[in-house]
Amino acid sequence: GAVVSQHPSRVICKSGTSVKIECRSLDFQATTMFWYRQFPKKSLMLMATSNEGSKATYEQGVEKDKFLINHASLTLSTLTVTSAHPEDSSFYICSAAAGFAGNTIYFGEGSWLTVV
Amino acid sequence: GEDVEQSLFLSVREGDSSVINCTYTDSSSTYLYWYKQEPGAGLQLLTYIFSNMDMKQDQRLTVLLNKKDKHLSLRIADTQTGDSAIYFCAESIDYGGSQGNLIFGKGTKLSVKP
Repeated sequence: GAVVSQHPSRVICKSGTSVKIECRSLDFQATTMFWYRQFPKKSLMLMATSNEGSKATYEQGVEKDKFLINHASLTLSTLTVTSAHPEDSSFYICSAAAGFAGNTIYFGEGSWLTVV
Repeated sequence: GEDVEQSLFLSVREGDSSVINCTYTDSSSTYLYWYKQEPGAGLQLLTYIFSNMDMKQDQRLTVLLNKKDKHLSLRIADTQTGDSAIYFCAESIDYGGSQGNLIFGKGTKLSVKP
């Protein structure tokens, strides 16, 4: 079946630095990808919708200058957490729709970010 | 706004059936999904159902949809210890062609006792 790959799966960075997370659709093209954030023991919250070739659409309350999203090709979207703070530590997960009408939505493995 | 509700915990004995329930509020949902998340892992798509269907069966999994009551359930037959995980219900909201925007419930933690 369709596969969405995220990298890195775990990353530790120092406070104030930036870290990039990649989301790739391995065997299908995805004009739209989605980035979610999951807090411990909480559900997933949509952060932004990544659109290939255009600006991402951010959900209310998500800082677009802090969470930079780039969707440069039909198989790759990146999320860059800039000037990371400890409160940015979380599980970030991306998804992409494979097929017409979004009936098959696959998620990446997720990326654990720890900011120290 | 959209909202998806699930009970937080369910405990069953190995071999019994598990039924995880979910309610949603948006009547325009096109697809409804069940995802499984094991500890420290990402989300695994278990199954999905189109909103004009009442039931979908896939091996040990049965999904029932009551569109009138906006109620979705996932039944796992012959539950095994390997089924222990958090199960998320999600609805797909289609905003003018923006496919794939999912609203998630908080997840139901299924514990299977031997």
